[in-house]
Amino acid sequence: AQSVAQPEDQVNVAEGNPLTVKCTYSVSGNPYLFWYVQYPNRGLQFLLKYITGDNLVKGSYGFEAEFNKSQTSFHLKKPSALVSDSALYFCAVRDGSGTYKYIFGTGTRLKVLA
Amino acid sequence: AAGVIQSPRHLIKEKRETATLKCYPIPRHDTVYWYQQGPGQDPQFLISFYEKMQSDKGSIPDRFSAQQFSDYHSELNMSSLELGDSALYFCASSSGPSSGNTIYFGEGSWLTVV
Repeated sequence: AQSVAQPEDQVNVAEGNPLTVKCTYSVSGNPYLFWYVQYPNRGLQFLLKYITGDNLVKGSYGFEAEFNKSQTSFHLKKPSALVSDSALYFCAVRDGSGTYKYIFGTGTRLKVLA
Repeated sequence: AAGVIQSPRHLIKEKRETATLKCYPIPRHDTVYWYQQGPGQDPQFLISFYEKMQSDKGSIPDRFSAQQFSDYHSELNMSSLELGDSALYFCASSSGPSSGNTIYFGEGSWLTVV
């Protein structure tokens, strides 16, 4: 069965510093990986996805993610964090059957300190 | 760009009452997903529809039912509500169930059962 793990419940980073939010996956077959951000009382906003191709994927709001097959990881990164990046981040993997629903990680709360 | 529209955004119901949530997918999206997110939890998949037919089923209680109509909108019906049903309910849509397609989420419907 497909699954993703987000090992950190919370990540704190100073504004202007680079940030990394970790995600590891377990899939049978090709991985289809996604990152979403959720602001308080809001829906999930799509940031980026890895389907195939370059291991470094660029997405919205300056975020990028690096797909690493050997480490089964898909970490979310940003070179310079903003206070407005503070939110809840979810990694997701697409189920390999049915309607290919998402299986979400448990989420990582990012706090960017001014 | 048009997004997934959910209504109502907030509702309060008493135990044992019934609630109906509506979802209007992005135009030309034929696949709808319903997720439930409890406080501090990751979204849990409930059910999905593709071309108006149920295509996948997750942890949806028997007290809940859903359908997708001819115009592709979907409704989630919840009966005999329990306190534990209090959650944020997301609808999401995609253009077909392909694993590479991005799923787009609505802003969610907050259900409070008192």
